[in-house]
Amino acid sequence: KNEVEQSPQNLTAQEGEFITINCSYSVGISALHWLQQHPGGGIVSLFMLSSGKKKHGRLIATINIQEKHSSLHITASHPRDSAVYICAVLITNTGNQFYFGTGTSLTVIP
Amino acid sequence: GAGVSQSPRYKVAKRGQDVALRCDPISGHVSLFWYQQALGQGPEFLTYFQNEAQLDKSGLPSDRFFAERPEGSVSTLKIQRTQQEDSAVYLCASNPGLYNEQFFGPGTRLTVL
Repeated sequence: KNEVEQSPQNLTAQEGEFITINCSYSVGISALHWLQQHPGGGIVSLFMLSSGKKKHGRLIATINIQEKHSSLHITASHPRDSAVYICAVLITNTGNQFYFGTGTSLTVIP
Repeated sequence: GAGVSQSPRYKVAKRGQDVALRCDPISGHVSLFWYQQALGQGPEFLTYFQNEAQLDKSGLPSDRFFAERPEGSVSTLKIQRTQQEDSAVYLCASNPGLYNEQFFGPGTRLTVL
C-alpha cells in the first residue's frame, strides 16, 4: 500500500543548507503529521497540519490539500538535524487510521 | 507520568511463544495507537483505541494479534504463537484526541528466534 510517498528517500546536506522533504498522498485526509526519528531513538511529533503552514524554530511545514502534498523545510541545517523524517496521514472516512511514509533519512555534514 | 512508557523495552521470544507488550499512555489521553515498525521501514498502523473502545483494528496482521485497553488507560498488545516475521519494534502513541499531535513511547523491540 502506497497511500503516502516521501521524497527523497535519502538526503545528505552540508551544514547551513536549506532542506526540503516532500510528502504526497493519494487519498483524502483529515490531518497530516511530520515526525522525527533519531537512530535508535523514539519518535517525536514535529507538526500536525490540516491546512496552511506552521513554523517552529528552524522548521516549517506546509500543506496543500488540493494537490495532496506537504513539505517539511529545515532552514540553516545543523548536524543535530540528522534523523529520519516521517510523514503520516490521518484518514477518518473508513475508520481512524494513520498511514506512514517510509521516511526520509537526512544526514547533515559539518 | 511525563510521557508514554512501554515495557519491556526488549523482548526475545522463541517461535511459538506468546508475548504481551504493555503501553502506559500519558494520563488523561483519550486516544491510543499501536504501530509496528520493521527494520528500515516506516511504522505501520495496527489498531486504535478511544478510551476503552477499540475503534479500529484493521491493521492487525492476523488473528494472532490482540489488543486491549480495558479501563481506558494502560493497553496491552498480545501476540500469540509468535513467528519470525513478527520481529519488529512495536510502538505505542497517545494523544488527547484524534486531531492532536501524537506522543510516542520508546517502543518494544521484539525478536522472535
